[in-house]
Amino acid sequence: GAGVSQSPRYKVAKRGQDVALRCDPISGHVSLFWYQQALGQGPEFLTYFQNEAQLDKSGLPSDRFFAERPEGSVSTLKIQRTQQEDSAVYLCASSLGTEQETQYFGPGTRLLVL
Amino acid sequence: AQSVTQLDSHVSVSEGTPVLLRCNYSSSYSPSLFWYVQHPNKGLQLLLKYTSAATLVKGINGFEAEFKKSETSFHLTKPSAHMSDAAEYFCVVTLFFQKLVFGTGTRLLVSP
Repeated sequence: GAGVSQSPRYKVAKRGQDVALRCDPISGHVSLFWYQQALGQGPEFLTYFQNEAQLDKSGLPSDRFFAERPEGSVSTLKIQRTQQEDSAVYLCASSLGTEQETQYFGPGTRLLVL
Repeated sequence: AQSVTQLDSHVSVSEGTPVLLRCNYSSSYSPSLFWYVQHPNKGLQLLLKYTSAATLVKGINGFEAEFKKSETSFHLTKPSAHMSDAAEYFCVVTLFFQKLVFGTGTRLLVSP
């Protein structure tokens, strides 16, 4: 399909495990964003890439969270030593990156930490 | 800093009646504003966006919103609700089309 895809769609982890969440943006989209959506809340910004450069990581909640986009396309969000408070839906969005461009969202990965 | 406040956590309407979802924004500069919709187990979908052109913005599925600077509002309306409109709606603000700042959402319930 032509949309943003994310995998896995669901992930159950035991507290303390490391997890890796993948995002495939729309082909040709320069900008890529990660958001975290806790239950009953609106999404909150985590980090932003333009091509392979991570331009803003101000929303990452702790140093256990790490994101990369080494070739300027696929991105991975890694959470080390997961905690229960990390349970949320992780959303990826991409855009062409030019001014006034819409962000297109993937379906999200629902992470449950037990 | 930018922020949005969605004034209602839940709105209930009957099918065929008008919809009003309220949003107020706060921004130091001229913001860009959006409404996104989220259906259960589906991704966020853009309904409409305001980018300092016309103050009345028309979106998909018959929705529209009016930017009122004097009231710092960007309310979402639809003349006649459909059952398929039942979903979570988010008002969103951004500067320079980088990170989006979401409101807490309004759940729209549509009864037959």
